[in-house]
Order: sequence, then structure tokens, then C-alpha cells
Amino acid sequence: DADVTQTPRNRITKTGKRIMLECSQTKGHDRMYWYRQDPGLGLRLIYYSFDVKDINKGEISDGYSVSRQAQAKFSLSLESAIPNQTALYFCATSDSLLEQFFGPGTRLTVL
Amino acid sequence: AQKVTQAQTEISVVEKEDVTLDCVYETRDTTYYLFWYKQPPSGELVFLIRRNSFDEQNEISGRYSWNFQKSTSSFNFTITASQVVDSAVYFCALSELTQGGSEKLVFGKGTKLTVNP
Repeated sequence: DADVTQTPRNRITKTGKRIMLECSQTKGHDRMYWYRQDPGLGLRLIYYSFDVKDINKGEISDGYSVSRQAQAKFSLSLESAIPNQTALYFCATSDSLLEQFFGPGTRLTVL
Repeated sequence: AQKVTQAQTEISVVEKEDVTLDCVYETRDTTYYLFWYKQPPSGELVFLIRRNSFDEQNEISGRYSWNFQKSTSSFNFTITASQVVDSAVYFCALSELTQGGSEKLVFGKGTKLTVNP
């Protein structure tokens, strides 16, 4: 089984809809991250969490929220999706040496 | 703030050629880590290497090698005798110390490498 899983893998939704992307990990890491990837812009950090009680905004947090339900689970929500949130979203975990272990990605399309 | 620049947006080579991917970084931290990740066409992100700022030794792993030079703030990646399977987007990343004392990564925009048969 994969160490970092993301659900759903693909999602098409409409403008204004609320959507949640879920991430689970079995690596036992405290640190978890959400990134979005857009062509030509690389990976940009949305939110990160270093333990269940610690949530931090990243570079591009506007329009997003997160929930760290447990050490192993970190969810990303779009309260009211808009077309420019169409992107590939990655969840990641890391150990104390910062090597990041990425999930397979969620391709989100907002129409 | 930390910054990672991968000036080469796209590179195209013919199989068996050597290719170097450039990475230049900016940081005020005295201790930091540098990374390279590979993203093949299938989309997953694969860790390639982590380098501590105190370790300037070059590293070689098979056809891959990395040249870390603090004097020029560069961490370049060379693929020797490239193969079609090396076609991917390659990301360089730098650790950043947050105000809370924890660390996160800042990624470059990536270099798309195409190796043609």
C-alpha cells in the first residue's frame, strides 16, 4: 500500500461548490503539507502542519482551508471553488530531515 | 525570503548526451538543505537527493551527479549519457526556517527535460 494516499484522484466540479481533498499517511510523520502545481509555476505551498495542533498558512492560502483531524490525516477544503483553482494538488509528509514524501496528486478542474 | 531559480524552463537533448540542470538559490540561513525531485510524465514526485549546507562534496549516483557550490549558491544536477526514461520535470528545492523555528521547502519552477531517441 502507498505511504501517502490522496482522495479523490480526479475531480471536476462547478464554480461555487465546496470541495474537500483528503490526504492520509502511514509513515508516522508529524509534518504534513498541501501544495498546488500549475504549469510553469512549480509547486507552491498552500498550508502546512507540524502536528495536530499546529496549522500554518503557506504562500497561497487564500481561498483554502485545512483540517488536521489526526496525525495521519490532513484535509484541504475549497469553500467556494473558482476556475483559477484548477490545478494539480499534492499532499506531502516529511521527517525531521525534511525529505518530502508526496502523494499521487489530485487533479481538480473547476468549471 | 528564500528563493530558488531554475533558469532553464525546458531542455531537449538526444539520447546519450550529457545534460546539466541548473539551480541557483538565495538564503540568509547558515544551515539549510537542498533537494532535487523528479516528476516523470506519470505525475508522481520522486525524491532524488538531499544535501546539507555544510557538505560541499559532490555526489554521484549512477548516471546522476550533483555539484554543490556555496560560493556561487548553486546546486546543479548532471545526467550523464541521458536516456529516454530521464524525460521528466526536475525540481530543485531549498529549506526555509520559519518564524516558529520549523522548516519547510521552497521549490523552483522546474526544468522540463525531454530526451529524444
